[in-house]
Amino acid sequence: EPEVTQTPSHQVTQMGQEVILRCVPISNHLYFYWYRQILGQKVEFLVSFYNNEISEKSEIFDDQFSVERPDGSNFTLKIRSTKLEDSAMYFCASSDGTENTEAFFGQGTRLTVV
Amino acid sequence: AQSVTQPDIHITVSEGASLELRCNYSYGATPYLFWYVQSPGQGLQLLLKYFSGDTLVQGIKGFEAEFKRSQSSFNLRKPSVHWSDAAEYFCAVGPRGANNLFFGTGTRLTVIP
Repeated sequence: EPEVTQTPSHQVTQMGQEVILRCVPISNHLYFYWYRQILGQKVEFLVSFYNNEISEKSEIFDDQFSVERPDGSNFTLKIRSTKLEDSAMYFCASSDGTENTEAFFGQGTRLTVV
Repeated sequence: AQSVTQPDIHITVSEGASLELRCNYSYGATPYLFWYVQSPGQGLQLLLKYFSGDTLVQGIKGFEAEFKRSQSSFNLRKPSVHWSDAAEYFCAVGPRGANNLFFGTGTRLTVIP
């Protein structure tokens, strides 16, 4: 069964460093998303991406964040200068964009900022 | 404002017992409703979804959910719980498609022998 894969599963980074989280969405999907879950809190929407541009973003997704689809298979989330409060589980998801679609989520990358 | 409320943070049930996880939502437009499950160390797996039509929807692993518009609820049920059902369960609501889902805080299910 096709699945969304994320790498790495766990990343530890120092505060102020740049980090890139990587995702390989399901191959025929057209819409890509990033969500995050701070420990003990809700899963929160960050951004959606379609046709090589951001289609929607939340207020969490500020100038420190960026997304990119550098090739035909990867979808990345970059955090330019990490803060302690960026520590969270980051989930990538994709969907095929049809009307009654659902999002397929990856297993997540746990980001720890120290 | 859009929101999802899962009033039960933690539920413990005996294996073989029935289960109901509650979900209430507030959403300004026609809601698309989802239940996801997260096992330890795993991602979010879709159990079932409701878009329109029959208000009782069947999902994977023997789960079902009923959409009640008058109560703004989408409760998840299973007639007989298995030990492997122990996990975190998330209710979510969103617009058409999978964009910008609003998740509840989750309900952690513990299954005892």
